[in-house]
Amino acid sequence: QQQVKQSPQSLIVQKGGISIINCAYENTAFDYFPWYQQFPGKGPALLIAIRPDVSEKKEGRFTISFNKSAKQFSLHIMDSQPGDSATYFCAASKNRDDKIIFGKGTRLHILP
Amino acid sequence: DSGVTQTPKHLITATGQRVTLRCSPRSGDLSVYWYQQSLDQGLQFLIQYYNGEERAKGNILERFSAQQFPDLHSELNLSSLELGDSALYFCASSVVEAGLDTQYFGPGTRLTVL
Repeated sequence: QQQVKQSPQSLIVQKGGISIINCAYENTAFDYFPWYQQFPGKGPALLIAIRPDVSEKKEGRFTISFNKSAKQFSLHIMDSQPGDSATYFCAASKNRDDKIIFGKGTRLHILP
Repeated sequence: DSGVTQTPKHLITATGQRVTLRCSPRSGDLSVYWYQQSLDQGLQFLIQYYNGEERAKGNILERFSAQQFPDLHSELNLSSLELGDSALYFCASSVVEAGLDTQYFGPGTRLTVL
């Protein structure tokens, strides 16, 4: 049973545009929602994370929006750059120090 | 560089064989997690160890086992290998930062079973 649904599977955005990746979860016990970025041949790297008591978190060009009632969260990448081309995973876990449940990933390509 | 190291980087073996993957967590991190990444299944949690003790199990096959040693490094043992076990295997270690548990991933071991 997939507990974190991610869309789209792939995304192409022009340089300077906004990239938006959406995720939905089912288990209301989740209370930690990280986003990971993975480049080919590398391990996933934590990009930004949020807890459900916050509706938005911004770090540089990356913003997480969180809608607890809808059980949805999204990643926005502003002023997208070719270097942002990677696979992005949304994820969730139930508490600190618990396993992470990953979405299927979104392959993002930023056109130069 | 996450600070998590994994060896070997690549492993090619035959069906029916047994292999051991090794992971060294970041200095001071007590938790180690193992994940399997394949094209069709995505990133799947296998097992977690905390300070030498098994803490949580995910979709780990009975042919697979793991342990964490007193120096906190961990090994994932895969036996009776099948073609479908070909995948990237990642380990991660975690630290609590600003109230959030952050898992840092190693570079992975790419296992190819022929």
